[in-house]
Amino acid sequence: SQTIHQWPATLVQPVGSPLSLECTVEGTSNPNLYWYRQAAGRGLQLLFYSVGIGQISSEVPQNLSASRPQDRQFILSSKKLLLSDSGFYLCAWMGKRGGEQYFGPGTRLTVT
Amino acid sequence: AQKVTQAQTEISVVEKEDVTLDCVYETRDTTYYLFWYKQPPSGELVFLIRRNSFDEQNEISGRYSWNFQKSTSSFNFTITASQVVDSAVYFCALTPSNDYKLSFGAGTTVTVRA
Repeated sequence: SQTIHQWPATLVQPVGSPLSLECTVEGTSNPNLYWYRQAAGRGLQLLFYSVGIGQISSEVPQNLSASRPQDRQFILSSKKLLLSDSGFYLCAWMGKRGGEQYFGPGTRLTVT
Repeated sequence: AQKVTQAQTEISVVEKEDVTLDCVYETRDTTYYLFWYKQPPSGELVFLIRRNSFDEQNEISGRYSWNFQKSTSSFNFTITASQVVDSAVYFCALTPSNDYKLSFGAGTTVTVRA
């Protein structure tokens, strides 16, 4: 069966510090991968998605970036965090046949 | 472009009451998928159901049931005999069958009081 991992679970970072969130998927190959952000009490905002190694599509211009160095690894980064980057970050995967996405447990980021 | 509307922001019910969550969508695609997800207080989104646009048969899974009506572009979700554990945010979503991205509604917060 497939599982998706995210770490860390929670993170408190000062403004201007760098960020690296990691997501890995097990039990499947060549998945589509996604990063979402959810602000407190709000809906889901798609940030990035990837259909393959090194292939990143950005949905929203911002100070975040994503990378996919390996087939089942997806990384969300920032060089300098802003207060507005606070939120709940969710990683998801979808099989190439399409359909539903499966989500990881999320990372709760607080920028102070 | 796709659009999913969940007009109900919050619903509060007493345990054992039924609750229906509305979902209305817009798409120009002829084939698409519709989904419901549950987000409990822990935060992880849990996939509940996928419905293909060509399959209008309603579905029941335990206390959950879904009513898909293509004529009105609606995909409503009913929880029968609600329980406190049903308290969560519920999201409706849509994707064309040949696309990679989901369009989510804003979510409906369901609170079930004991």
